[in-house]
Amino acid sequence: AQKVTQAQTEISVVEKEDVTLDCVYETRDTTYYLFWYKQPPSGELVFLIRRNSFDEQNEISGRYSWNFQKSTSSFNFTITASQVVDSAVYFCALFANAGGTSYGKLTFGQGTILTVHP
Amino acid sequence: GAVVSQHPSWVICKSGTSVKIECRSLDFQATTMFWYRQFPKQSLMLMATSNEGSKATYEQGVEKDKFLINHASLTLSTLTVTSAHPEDSSFYICSATPWREGRGVYFGPGTRLTVT
Repeated sequence: AQKVTQAQTEISVVEKEDVTLDCVYETRDTTYYLFWYKQPPSGELVFLIRRNSFDEQNEISGRYSWNFQKSTSSFNFTITASQVVDSAVYFCALFANAGGTSYGKLTFGQGTILTVHP
Repeated sequence: GAVVSQHPSWVICKSGTSVKIECRSLDFQATTMFWYRQFPKQSLMLMATSNEGSKATYEQGVEKDKFLINHASLTLSTLTVTSAHPEDSSFYICSATPWREGRGVYFGPGTRLTVT
């Protein structure tokens, strides 16, 4: 079975603060992919990052950075100097093989509602 | 980049009628398509996984006879909500991938279904 846990249901920060969204995952597979998506009020998911299980390098993209640690099964997401436009729901997701079948599936965490106040 | 479309983007129907939602991969062949359901302020719940040419695999608790999924070609999957009821009102999102191992999963914009 695979599972993704985002412990923070809601986070509220003031603009320019840094904020970290936590994600912990469970899978028995050795090969898997981790994702972060942003869902603004419109509902359409916006892809942010994909990381495969063999690549533990941290990544930075502008104000966004991700910390992948296999030892703790975590894939945390940090927004530096947050802005009001960052307000959205953020989902962490895991793509792994569904218990040995040929095709895997993508499982989402519960989501974290981020509100950035001006 | 890879594009997935959904049609319609929103639909209102009367209780008891059936509604069909289409999901198309526009610039790639999708070996697998996924259908999700999202209630307000909740996460995306996987309903079923659809592989071209074979029967869909439904998640536990999802009624196969109520949510009919057909993946007739490598670029089209359809979800039919049969005999819809108000509790079926939700945001339905499809996604598609050209790879088995999840190297990239692309999402449609979603379909908002309201059953009156």
